[in-house]
Amino acid sequence: AQTVTQSQPEMSVQEAETVTLSCTYDTSESDYYLFWYKQPPSRQMILVIRQEAYKQQNATENRFSVNFQKAAKSFSLKISDSQLGDAAMYFCAYRVAWDRDDKIIFGKGTRLHILP
Amino acid sequence: NAGVTQTPKFRILKIGQSMTLQCTQDMNHNYMYWYRQDPGMGLKLIYYSVGAGITDKGEVPNGYNVSRSTTEDFPLRLELAAPSQTSVYFCASSYSGGQSMNTEAFFGQGTRLTVV
Repeated sequence: AQTVTQSQPEMSVQEAETVTLSCTYDTSESDYYLFWYKQPPSRQMILVIRQEAYKQQNATENRFSVNFQKAAKSFSLKISDSQLGDAAMYFCAYRVAWDRDDKIIFGKGTRLHILP
Repeated sequence: NAGVTQTPKFRILKIGQSMTLQCTQDMNHNYMYWYRQDPGMGLKLIYYSVGAGITDKGEVPNGYNVSRSTTEDFPLRLELAAPSQTSVYFCASSYSGGQSMNTEAFFGQGTRLTVV
């Protein structure tokens, strides 16, 4: 069965600094998607970034980028120039690319604190 | 675009009462999901549906029922509410159309349910 592991329950970073959140996953599939979601205090689940496993190039979205290591099954999120609005719970998620019965699997989350 | 709409946003139930959490999406997504999120924790899948008329259990289905009579709607029924069902409930939808066509999950704003 597929699993997603986030080993850092909480992290803190100084405003304007860079922070990296870790995520590892386990799967026997070769084609899949990986996601990072942000959940601020408002509870809304917001997609931050998405990576297709068949793409070797790491995805980037403005200050957010990933380090995708397919062989190591690692998918870390780097936030550059951290801002107070980045404070939130961050979830890593996995989805197989092609399966009639697939589910989206979430990690347990990392709570990120931004220190002014 | 409304996206995924959940009602109600808040609800207090007494032990033993029942209720239905409503979820509707207007994106013509074939997949729909119900998750629960306990305080400070990640998302646990309750039930999901791959299309109208088809539902499957997730990891925590006990005490809940679902139906999917249309593509748009995926209500979650709580029978005989218990304090252990106090949680925030999220409905989500996604599209699965074949290899490299699957999307991320789009979430509703959540329902905070308290059972007393």
